[in-house]
Amino acid sequence: NAGVTQTPKFQVLKTGQSMTLQCAQDMNHNSMYWYRQDPGMGLRLIYYSASEGTTDKGEVPNGYNVSRLNKREFSLRLESAAPSQTSVYFCASSERPEGNSPLHFGNGTRLTVT
Amino acid sequence: DQQVKQNSPSLSVQEGRISILNCDYTNSMFDYFLWYKKYPAEGPTFLISISSIKDKNEDGRFTVFLNKSAKHLSLHIVPSQPGDSAVYFCAARPTGNMLTFGGGTRLMVKP
Repeated sequence: NAGVTQTPKFQVLKTGQSMTLQCAQDMNHNSMYWYRQDPGMGLRLIYYSASEGTTDKGEVPNGYNVSRLNKREFSLRLESAAPSQTSVYFCASSERPEGNSPLHFGNGTRLTVT
Repeated sequence: DQQVKQNSPSLSVQEGRISILNCDYTNSMFDYFLWYKKYPAEGPTFLISISSIKDKNEDGRFTVFLNKSAKHLSLHIVPSQPGDSAVYFCAARPTGNMLTFGGGTRLMVKP
C-alpha cells in the first residue's frame, strides 16, 4: 500500500524555469493538499482540493497553480520559479476536509531554485 | 501572524523520562487539534488528536491535554524512547476550514 506518492524527490531549477510536481494517492481519499515546509515556519498550505473537481487557495498560493486531474492525482505547477520558492513541498490527502480527519503525507519534494 | 505557536524549537530528554511538548494558539474558533511526528526525509505522520469538547486524549504512551481557557495544548510521551526522536508539529483546525500548523519542536531522546 503506497499511500501518497510524490515525484520527483529532488529538483533544482533556475529562476524563471517552470515545473510540475506530481502527487497520487491510492487510499480513495476525497481531499488533497499541497504544503510547503520552511525552517521555523511549519507547514503552510498552498492549495487544496476538498473534492474531485474543486480547488481552492490556501495560505500561500502566489506563484503556484494546481490541477486535480482525477480523484487520485493532484499536481502543483510553478510557472516561473523564484528563489523564494526554494522549499520542501509535501502533498497530503484525507478522507474529508474537516473535523478530525487526519492528513496522510507523501515523503516530499526538495526544490532548490537558483 | 502565527495562529499556532510552538515556542520551543528543541527539547532534549533522557530515555525513560517524560517528554512534554507544548503548543499555544490564538484562534478561539479552533475545534480540533492534532499532533504529527516527522522523521528526516519523510513526510509527517499523524500521531494523536483531540476535539475541543475534551480536555484529554490518550493513546498508549502518548497523551494530549487541551486547556481551552489558556489556549494551550501539550503532548506527553511516557516513557520516552530513542525512536521518539523526531520533529513534532501541532496543528489546529476551525470547523469547516483547513489545518494550521505550528513551527515544530525537535525532540531528542538520549539513551
